[in-house]
Amino acid sequence: GNSVTQMEGPVTLSEEAFLTINCTYTATGYPSLFWYVQYPGEGLQLLLKATKADDKGSNKGFEATYRKETTSFHLEKGSVQVSDSAVYFCALSDYGSGNTGKLIFGQGTTLQVKP
Amino acid sequence: DTEVTQTPKHLVMGMTNKKSLKCEQHMGHRAMYWYKQKAKKPPELMFVYSYEKLSINESVPSRFSPECPNSSLLNLHLHALQPEDSALYLCASSQGAGVAYEQYFGPGTRLTVT
Repeated sequence: GNSVTQMEGPVTLSEEAFLTINCTYTATGYPSLFWYVQYPGEGLQLLLKATKADDKGSNKGFEATYRKETTSFHLEKGSVQVSDSAVYFCALSDYGSGNTGKLIFGQGTTLQVKP
Repeated sequence: DTEVTQTPKHLVMGMTNKKSLKCEQHMGHRAMYWYKQKAKKPPELMFVYSYEKLSINESVPSRFSPECPNSSLLNLHLHALQPEDSALYLCASSQGAGVAYEQYFGPGTRLTVT
């Protein structure tokens, strides 16, 4: 079945450090891939998405590239800020779920950025 | 405007109460979703509505009853809940219920069952 695996957190970085959060997936078809961010006490916000192999999603300095050969969609940012502290979820949507738009989420990675 | 609104923000209810959660979007989206999220866990899908018809029920207990009165509104009716139903309930919407459509989430209703 479909699944998403994220690196375990928490990830603790100093401000302006480079961020990588690993995400790998298993899917029966050709999924769309997403990164969502959840700030404390809030709902999820779409951060970026990619719908086919080699697509690069980017937003607010974050980037992720859809790598079909390694079934990965790692999230990167060149210089994190304290305001980036949040929980990050990798997710996929696949035709194997009947093209219903059902999202399969990873377990989430908590990022803490210290000044 | 990519806003999904949810009311109330917080809800405390007893196990014998009946209450409803409301969700609204004005983006012209035709698919709407209810998720349940426990602390430090990812959201779990409960229901999907596509073009105002229920298309997915993820084996949710009957004490949760969804309703989609029109394309902009989604309700979740609650009755005889258990303490373990305490969670953050998230509503989301997307342009369509398909693989390529991103979902936009509301801020959630934090439910406590006493």
